Amino acid sequence: NAGVTQTPKFQVLKTGQSMTLQCAQDMNHNSMYWYRQDPGMGLRLIYYSASEGTTDKGEVPNGYNVSRLNKREFSLRLESAAPSQTSVYFCASSDRQVFYGYTFGSGTRLTVV
Amino acid sequence: AQSVTQLDSQVPVFEEAPVELRCNYSSSVSVYLFWYVQYPNQGLQLLLKYLSGSTLVKGINGFEAEFNKSQTSFHLRKPSVHISDTAEYFCAVSDQGYADGLTFGKGTHLIIQP
Repeated sequence: NAGVTQTPKFQVLKTGQSMTLQCAQDMNHNSMYWYRQDPGMGLRLIYYSASEGTTDKGEVPNGYNVSRLNKREFSLRLESAAPSQTSVYFCASSDRQVFYGYTFGSGTRLTVV
Repeated sequence: AQSVTQLDSQVPVFEEAPVELRCNYSSSVSVYLFWYVQYPNQGLQLLLKYLSGSTLVKGINGFEAEFNKSQTSFHLRKPSVHISDTAEYFCAVSDQGYADGLTFGKGTHLIIQP
């Protein structure tokens, strides 16, 4: 099915461990995004990639890094996980050339203990 | 920079009653506007969007929203709700000229009472 695929769906990390969240889209979209969702806070933008080869910080980038591997894939890395990074992470994509909106993945639920 | 205010964190409504979820935004440029719904333990589903044209936008599941530029509002309405509408609803805004993503409100939890 066309859309945005995130892996893994669930993850438990110990404080200080590292991990990479993967995101891939098959809609040939230029732009990709990483959000985190916390109770009562809505979704907040961590990083985005307006086009292949570019990345920019969003509202809450501290503690994260990203890589736009190619047009399809956009990964989010936690180098040293902290309990404050316990959250649900969503990847999204869009295309400004033919703009119909933003398509979201199903999310990754991350717990840092 | 944009911001979105959803004035109610929770809205309890009796089944088959009408509902309005309020959303106000601020932006210095022209915007696109969206409403998303999130059912428990699920991802985000697009309800409707305003890109241009008619200010009354119809979406899925009987929802509609009206874009009011002078009041910078984009309120979501449904004439008769069902138990299955219980969910979290998010209003979001995007600048028209940039690819820097959506700015979300904090969400409104719609609680349908039998």
